[in-house]
Amino acid sequence: KAGVTQTPRYLIKTRGQQVTLSCSPISGHRSVSWYQQTPGQGLQFLFEYFSETQRNKGNFPGRFSGRQFSNSRSEMNVSTLELGDSALYLCASSLRRNTEAFFGQGTRLTVV
Amino acid sequence: GENVEQHPSTLSVQEGDSAVIKCTYSDSASNYFPWYKQELGKRPQLIIDIRSNVGEKKDQRIAVTLNKTAKHFSLHITETQPEDSAVYFCAASTDGGSQGNLIFGKGTKLSVKP
Repeated sequence: KAGVTQTPRYLIKTRGQQVTLSCSPISGHRSVSWYQQTPGQGLQFLFEYFSETQRNKGNFPGRFSGRQFSNSRSEMNVSTLELGDSALYLCASSLRRNTEAFFGQGTRLTVV
Repeated sequence: GENVEQHPSTLSVQEGDSAVIKCTYSDSASNYFPWYKQELGKRPQLIIDIRSNVGEKKDQRIAVTLNKTAKHFSLHITETQPEDSAVYFCAASTDGGSQGNLIFGKGTKLSVKP
């Protein structure tokens, strides 16, 4: 069974640009969550999606948005990039809440 | 919303010693508490989890305890080995409501010295 796949693995963007990250969950998993990981801050929750609906959103500005498609694949978008957006963005899929979340390898975003 | 505090942020032990990492949570409705291990450059992976109807769970050298009254849970690693060196994250979530997603602590960097 294929694991969670995130693309691209690495991105370098300039301040003010926008970026779209993609996440393909494990087959059969309908729940996808996104996290931002930075040194010292751990894993900060961004969004949770289930069956194309956003169920929950973390405390991030409106520049961060996401969506989920009918095949459970998910994308997140960050507009007007800032230097502080540089981080590892991880997505995780699970069958449902309160079950094991499987993480992708992440997308390393660098904003210069 | 839920808030998870994790201590210590760094922990160094000698090979063969035990390691204990502690977490507290704020939402009494939380009922699922997983622990993830993240090795350098790799993705976080679940190592053990516990639900609120259980006080303790063991898996070989790893155990987790939960005190619902005090709202804290702990990870215990016995007979540590160098391959246990990694960052460990605790998390908490509820089964439903508006905060059903996992909320993570900030992590503990465990170093096991040979």
